[in-house]
Amino acid sequence: GAGVSQSPSNKVTEKGKDVELRCDPISGHTALYWYRQRLGQGLEFLIYFQGNSAPDKSGLPSDRFSAERTGESVSTLTIQRTQQEDSAVYLCASSLAAGGNQPQHFGDGTRLSIL
Amino acid sequence: AQSVTQPDIHITVSEGASLELRCNYSYGATPYLFWYVQSPGQGLQLLLKYFSGDTLVQGIKGFEAEFKRSQSSFNLRKPSVHWSDAAEYFCAVGTKGDTDKLIFGTGTRLQVFP
Repeated sequence: GAGVSQSPSNKVTEKGKDVELRCDPISGHTALYWYRQRLGQGLEFLIYFQGNSAPDKSGLPSDRFSAERTGESVSTLTIQRTQQEDSAVYLCASSLAAGGNQPQHFGDGTRLSIL
Repeated sequence: AQSVTQPDIHITVSEGASLELRCNYSYGATPYLFWYVQSPGQGLQLLLKYFSGDTLVQGIKGFEAEFKRSQSSFNLRKPSVHWSDAAEYFCAVGTKGDTDKLIFGTGTRLQVFP
């Protein structure tokens, strides 16, 4: 595809439910990143994948959060037993390779609302 | 550890006025520097980047930014703002070898009055 695609664009769920967010990176991009953006705030790094290397999970806020990526394709971010503080926009980005000099290309995000 | 500061949370300008958004970073060497723009309900779009060389870089939509090593700054400028420039602007820093992540500032919200 032309850009990073995220689904769903919006998700409303009840507290305590599990949610799964999906990210399709740009074809050929080996690095994939997940961020959380709370209302009116900046980007909070969650996790990143680079090829077949072990992911950097250092930003995951709790063990309720997990993410998977198969090879260099789709990634899913799962939040178990959702809490109201999980309400945010979850942004996915991909880049051609990992590295501090690699521009990241962002999807439009999934807006998650926990009732 | 590296960090990025955007001291202005919210800026308001009139259409046609000039604009400067501030960004300061903390890092022991010259970092890779980026500016992104986020329109409401959308993801972030890259405006411009600096890696090395000419310290004044040109980006899309008429934006430019200047790297000043002595001030650890990478301020974003535009000579004449358009109403469509109203958005959130994020400065980001990438480092050489320490980490593969970009560190983002907290953003500056730009409001443009007609």
